[in-house]
Formats: sequence, structure tokens, C-alpha cells
Amino acid sequence: NAGVTQTPKFRILKIGQSMTLQCTQDMNHNYMYWYRQDPGMGLKLIYYSVGAGITDKGEVPNGYNVSRSTTEDFPLRLELAAPSQTSVYFCASSYRELYGYTFGSGTRLTVV
Amino acid sequence: DAKTTQPTSMDCAEGRAANLPCNHSTISGNEYVYWYRQIHSQGPQYIIHGLKNNETNEMASLIITEDRKSSTLILPHATLRDTAVYYCIVRVTSGNTGKLIFGQGTTLQVKP
Repeated sequence: NAGVTQTPKFRILKIGQSMTLQCTQDMNHNYMYWYRQDPGMGLKLIYYSVGAGITDKGEVPNGYNVSRSTTEDFPLRLELAAPSQTSVYFCASSYRELYGYTFGSGTRLTVV
Repeated sequence: DAKTTQPTSMDCAEGRAANLPCNHSTISGNEYVYWYRQIHSQGPQYIIHGLKNNETNEMASLIITEDRKSSTLILPHATLRDTAVYYCIVRVTSGNTGKLIFGQGTTLQVKP
């Protein structure tokens, strides 16, 4: 039981490049979330999903896209990377709405 | 924005109880209070949550005032490994699902 797995752990992108941050969970959780955390700040919700095929925007969705084709996977797509997207990205999942979230270990992204 | 107010930082002696306060004066009747912590730059870890009754688990106790406008997280015997940022979060309900909105948190330093 690996929990929530995020890849890659580190990445450096050039301005204008694109990439996909991978997130997969093996707990059969319906709910999945993407957060970003800027240095010294709390986490901000980017997108979330309540089940396969269903996604919705969070607080800071601009510049990102998501998809949820399976229960296990919830990839986050960055198109046209900008320096403002330099951050640590966390994926999380939960079994039901009121349950605690399980977080991944994060992806540290730098855009130069 | 998060609807909670926490002290920026606190100290606690190792072996003593750590009491972390949180104000949430605008909380609605059906909103839960959640506590998470984040050690170094790891993914946040779920601690406990409650609605109006006091809650206890293997990690901590949560005391919610009768008017629900504030709460306290209690770590009964703090260790050095409890040094972390602690987030008090009111679960925002939007549409048909609730989302966790993180604030700045309290940095707890446990000292020998």
C-alpha cells in the first residue's frame, strides 16, 4: 500500500515549456486534490475531483488543467510554464468527503 | 481565504502538553474544524477533525468551545518530532462537496 505517489520529485522547466505532474493513489479513494505551496505560505487548492470523469476548479486554477479518467490517477498539466508557477505541488486523496486527506510527498517545480 | 486565526508561532517544552489555539468566529453550524500538520517540507499530515463535540485519537485531542467560535488542539506529551507547522482549517462547503482551504498555520517549536 503505497498511498499517494507523486512524480517527479523535482523538475526545472524553462518559461513556455509544458509538463504533466503525475499523481496516483492505491487506496480506492474517490476524492483527489491538487494544491500548491509557495515558500513560507499555506497550501492553495488548484483543482479537485470527486470521482472519475468529474473535476472542478479550486482557488488558483489559472494556468493548469486536470483530468480524471480513472479512480487511481489525477494528473496536473501545466501549459506554457511561467515563473509564477514555481512552487511545491502536493496531491492528496480522501475516501469520503469528511475523512482526512492523505497527501503525497510533493513535486518541487522551478520555472526559469 | 481561510476563516481561521492562529498564532504565528509557539514554543513548548518536550514532555509537556502543547495547546494550540484557533479562532473561527464566523463558522457555520455544519462546518467542521480540521487540524493538519506539516513537518519540514513534507506533505501535510491529517491529525483530527470535529464538528461540535470534543474528539480524541491516538495523536491528539480537539476541544471545541460550546459556541464553536474557537478550538484547541492538544498534543498531550509533545516530543521533538512534533515540531511542525500546524494548520487549523474550517471545511468550506461549496456546491456538492467541501474543500479544505489552508491558512498560514502555527509553527510549533518543541524544545528539549
